[in-house]
Amino acid sequence: QVQLVQSGTEVKKPGASVKVSCKASGYIFTGQYIHWVRQAPGQGLEWMGWINPNNGATKYSQKFEGRVTMTRDTSISTAYMELSRLTSDDTAFYYCARKNYGDFWGQGTLVTVSS
Amino acid sequence: QSALTQPASVSGSPGQSITISCTGTSSDVGGYNSVSWHQHHPGKAPKLMIYDVTNRPSGVSNRFSGSKSGNTASLTISGLQAEDEAEYYCSSYADSRTQVFGGGTRVTVL
Repeated sequence: QVQLVQSGTEVKKPGASVKVSCKASGYIFTGQYIHWVRQAPGQGLEWMGWINPNNGATKYSQKFEGRVTMTRDTSISTAYMELSRLTSDDTAFYYCARKNYGDFWGQGTLVTVSS
Repeated sequence: QSALTQPASVSGSPGQSITISCTGTSSDVGGYNSVSWHQHHPGKAPKLMIYDVTNRPSGVSNRFSGSKSGNTASLTISGLQAEDEAEYYCSSYADSRTQVFGGGTRVTVL
């Protein structure tokens, strides 16, 4: 069965970076795009970007351009999302999702940014 | 990349039908047949309810249906049940190979 399993809770200081992983299983990893979505406290879902695991191509939301980097390691069927220059506004649950319409999602990773 | 417009809240009594709208532009909702709807409980993974405007994934109740007219997509929940109470988000493929979400709609079962 398809599963996306994300890394655990992170606590970071302002200005730091965070890297969240998303390990895929149950399907051919290189066959489907992985999207990253976040939800800040009291806010809605926000699309951050996608990565094509087949060739590493990426597309980022303009909001995060220059601050986000999405990568993958096909040998372990894992996608990564790194967000730099963190501020308190980046405190949120971060999710990975398969395909543009998100047929399967990771369980979410809480990233807290606090001094 | 502006968010799609959804009503903040919709409510209904058990057994009733409700409809949630999702309004975008010709650069997203109106330009592509790639609208999806998710049910979300905060802190949990969103659940796909509808994809590609009208398609229902295996396992999702047929009480959920989707449609689109012009730049507005809609999700209808018929035979409303207490378990349907949640936040619902629409999402659409958009120009430049991006994706955009709506602001979310809180569904309350009275």
